[in-house]
Amino acid sequence: NAGVTQTPKFQVLKTGQSMTLQCAQDMNHNSMYWYRQDPGMGLRLIYYSASEGTTDKGEVPNGYNVSRLNKREFSLRLESAAPSQTSVYFCASSEGRGMGEKLFFGSGTQLSVL
Amino acid sequence: DAKTTQPNSMESNEEEPVHLPCNHSTISGTDYIHWYRQLPSQGPEYVIHGLTSNVNNRMASLAIAEDRKSSTLILHRATLRDAAVYYCILRRIQGAQKLVFGQGTRLTINP
Repeated sequence: NAGVTQTPKFQVLKTGQSMTLQCAQDMNHNSMYWYRQDPGMGLRLIYYSASEGTTDKGEVPNGYNVSRLNKREFSLRLESAAPSQTSVYFCASSEGRGMGEKLFFGSGTQLSVL
Repeated sequence: DAKTTQPNSMESNEEEPVHLPCNHSTISGTDYIHWYRQLPSQGPEYVIHGLTSNVNNRMASLAIAEDRKSSTLILHRATLRDAAVYYCILRRIQGAQKLVFGQGTRLTINP
């Protein structure tokens, strides 16, 4: 049972470099999300996709772009990484039927920007 | 989004019940109450959710106040594996399907 799969698990970047975090789910879910978690803090929503073909900003979208490639995949791109983007990134998905359903999370990507 | 207030930390003993409180005085009629927990170095995992009535599942029970302005997550018999950060979150039934996390309660279980 794969659920939500994130790659890579760890990444170190230099300031100004770019990279894409990949997320895929195998539960045929409509909605997908990207969160970041800074040390000792709760999760903050970066972007979400309510359904294939749509994306919307969350609480902290600046410095990020997303692509909902298809129903399974939702990627997060950092165009020019900054030390403030050092964080653990979590992808999540849900059925998206609008009935307060639960989210399923991946195991996270730990990103360090030097 | 309506906010929730939880204690920063709580401590309990193994094999005893744990009651984790959450205040959500600005809850609207279309908000579900969700609880998630995050074990060390893992992503959050769903625990339970409810709208108006108390709910039970294999992990926990959720007691919702009659006016819905507060709720309590009940772990009936805590184990060491229940040590985690517990998040109480309000989620709209329809509309923007985003989940906004607060700081959560860090639960410590003593052996």
